Amino acid sequence: SYDLTQSPSVSVSPGHTASITCSGDKLGDRYVFWYQQKPGQSPVLVIYQDSMRPSGIPERFSGSNSANTATLTISGTQPMDEADYYCQTWDSNINTAIFGGGTKLTVL
Amino acid sequence: QVQLQESGPGLVKPSETLSLTCSVSGDSISRSYWSWIRQPPGKGLEYIGHIYYSGSTNYNPSLQSRVTISVDTSKNQFSLKLSSVTAADTAVYYCARPAVGSGWLLFDFWGHGTLVTVSS
Repeated sequence: SYDLTQSPSVSVSPGHTASITCSGDKLGDRYVFWYQQKPGQSPVLVIYQDSMRPSGIPERFSGSNSANTATLTISGTQPMDEADYYCQTWDSNINTAIFGGGTKLTVL
Repeated sequence: QVQLQESGPGLVKPSETLSLTCSVSGDSISRSYWSWIRQPPGKGLEYIGHIYYSGSTNYNPSLQSRVTISVDTSKNQFSLKLSSVTAADTAVYYCARPAVGSGWLLFDFWGHGTLVTVSS
């Protein structure tokens, strides 16, 4: 089965840029979606189709996907961005969503 | 704005069947796909499966032998049944409305989630 790998944790200082990566075999050939989840809340879509932002998501969130790695970048990170972030892709062989293990972003 | 609300028992005994319902408002269930996703406490997200309003389903192979997702268009609801549960099935269960792309789904609307604990 297809696997997505994320680093368990990333730390960033307020105002700086955070990069959260998601890796998988030939991931660049697939679309990647990113979700933000704060404690006790449901996930929220922040990036779709590698680099598109849904309405209402701040411009500081951006995404890219190439080769074996997708990256979620948060520019000018704010304390409110502290959350768990999950990448997701689609495995068309089994018609199922695949989620990465999640990355805990700490802003300090 | 579509809203989804999960409901069902919060405690299920081992070996029994977990049953949850997702009530949909602000959208017609007879429109597209509908999904279930779960998250064990302190862990990541796991896709359970989805159903098309016509009744066709697709399940995560890791759960396929125990999962049934069904839809009730008259009530604008869809449901999840997971049989032979163990403590490993303890999780927050989310229902979600996917957005449909060319051969993929993403999840833009989620319910609040409901915690189901498997314990005797």
